[in-house]
Amino acid sequence: NAGVTQTPKFQVLKTGQSMTLQCAQDMNHEYMSWYRQDPGMGLRLIHYSVGAGITDQGEVPNGYNVSRSTTEDFPLRLLSAAPSQTSVYFCASSGGGSNQPQHFGDGTRLSIL
Amino acid sequence: GDSVTQMEGPVTLSEEAFLTINCTYTATGYPSLFWYVQYPGEGLQLLLKATKADDKGSNKGFEATYRKETTSFHLEKGSVQVSDSAVYFCALSVRNSGYALNFGKGTSLLVTP
Repeated sequence: NAGVTQTPKFQVLKTGQSMTLQCAQDMNHEYMSWYRQDPGMGLRLIHYSVGAGITDQGEVPNGYNVSRSTTEDFPLRLLSAAPSQTSVYFCASSGGGSNQPQHFGDGTRLSIL
Repeated sequence: GDSVTQMEGPVTLSEEAFLTINCTYTATGYPSLFWYVQYPGEGLQLLLKATKADDKGSNKGFEATYRKETTSFHLEKGSVQVSDSAVYFCALSVRNSGYALNFGKGTSLLVTP
C-alpha cells in the first residue's frame, strides 16, 4: 500500500534555482493538492487539481506551477526558488466529496539558501 | 471566506489527564470537519471526521462533535497517554477548492509521564 509518495524527502537549493517536487498516488483518486507547512501557520493550500488536465490556484500559489497530465501524478514546480519558499511541502489526494478524507504523503523538506 | 481557528499551544499535560483542544470555524454552507494528527517527523494522519451537524467523530479514544449552533468541533480525550504527544490540526473541506482542506494553525500537545 504505497498511498501517496513524495520525492525527494529533503532538498537544499540556491536562490534562483528551479526544481520539481514529485507526487504520485496509486489510489486512483481524482482530487490532488499541494500544501506548504510553516511554523505557526498550519498548512496552506498552494494548488489543487480535480482531475487530469484540470488545475487551479489555492491560497498561496505565487512562485509555483503545477500540471496534471495523468491521474496518478501531480508535480509541483518552483521556477526560480526564493528563501521565502523554504518550507515543508505536503501532497495529498482524495476520492472527492466533502466527506472524503485527504491522504497525505510524508512531505518534502525544502531549504532555499 | 472559510476559516478555522483553534487554540494555540503548546499544551502540556500529565499522563491520564483530560484533553480538550478548542476549534471553531467560519464557513458558507455545510462543510465536513476533520481532525488530523502529525507525529514528529511524519505526515498528517486523519484522526476523526464529522460530515453533518450533531455527528460525533471518534477514534483511538478521541472524540469531537460537530456543533452547528456554536460552529465548533472541539477535540476531547478522557485520558491522554505519552504516545498522544503530537500536533493536532482542525480542518474543514472547501467545496470550491476541490474539497481541499482549510486548516487551523495546529496545537502542539506534550504529554509527560
